[in-house]
Amino acid sequence: KNQVEQSPQSLIILEGKNCTLQCNYTVSPFSNLRWYKQDTGRGPVSLTIMTFSENTKSNGRYTATLDADTKQSSLHITASQLSDSASYICVVSRSGGSYIPTFGRGTSLIVHP
Amino acid sequence: EPEVTQTPSHQVTQMGQEVILRCVPISNHLYFYWYRQILGQKVEFLVSFYNNEISEKSEIFDDQFSVERPDGSNFTLKIRSTKLEDSAMYFCASREGQDYEQYFGPGTRLTVT
Repeated sequence: KNQVEQSPQSLIILEGKNCTLQCNYTVSPFSNLRWYKQDTGRGPVSLTIMTFSENTKSNGRYTATLDADTKQSSLHITASQLSDSASYICVVSRSGGSYIPTFGRGTSLIVHP
Repeated sequence: EPEVTQTPSHQVTQMGQEVILRCVPISNHLYFYWYRQILGQKVEFLVSFYNNEISEKSEIFDDQFSVERPDGSNFTLKIRSTKLEDSAMYFCASREGQDYEQYFGPGTRLTVT
């Protein structure tokens, strides 16, 4: 069964600190993995997208890594800001014609001053 | 910057009533999607639409659901006879091409009473 598991479920950190969010997936065959940021009551906004051949991708203070062999990805946030408080969602898509993406439940990040 | 828009932002309806959720995708985009997110749960794919027809649909997208692109700008999701369990945030998304980034709208919160 195609699944995406994220950890931790929630995380509280102090402003200025770094953090790392994890994503494990069983989706196969693999096409790409995306990380989204979702503010409360809003639609998801794309942070990074990685294909099979990419190991790391950065977008400002966000850096995503991908290990396609172990089917794991991480999202590292550097020097967190209050505006980073949101849900971070890992989404994995299959290759081979079917678009249907598999969403993780997300990690809820709270950044305190 | 172009964005996906959705109306209304909040819709309250009684069980058994029909609702139509409206979306205006980004103008040069060709692929359109509907997702839903029940409160506290993960985002779920409903349907994808390309070239004026459904490309894929999930198990959730049963006969009670339909999509339409009535003109060159709008993309609608209709629920014929709403049930309590249809209460959720419904997100529309669009993208320019198959390998392009997907952009989500702000969502419509549907409450079925």
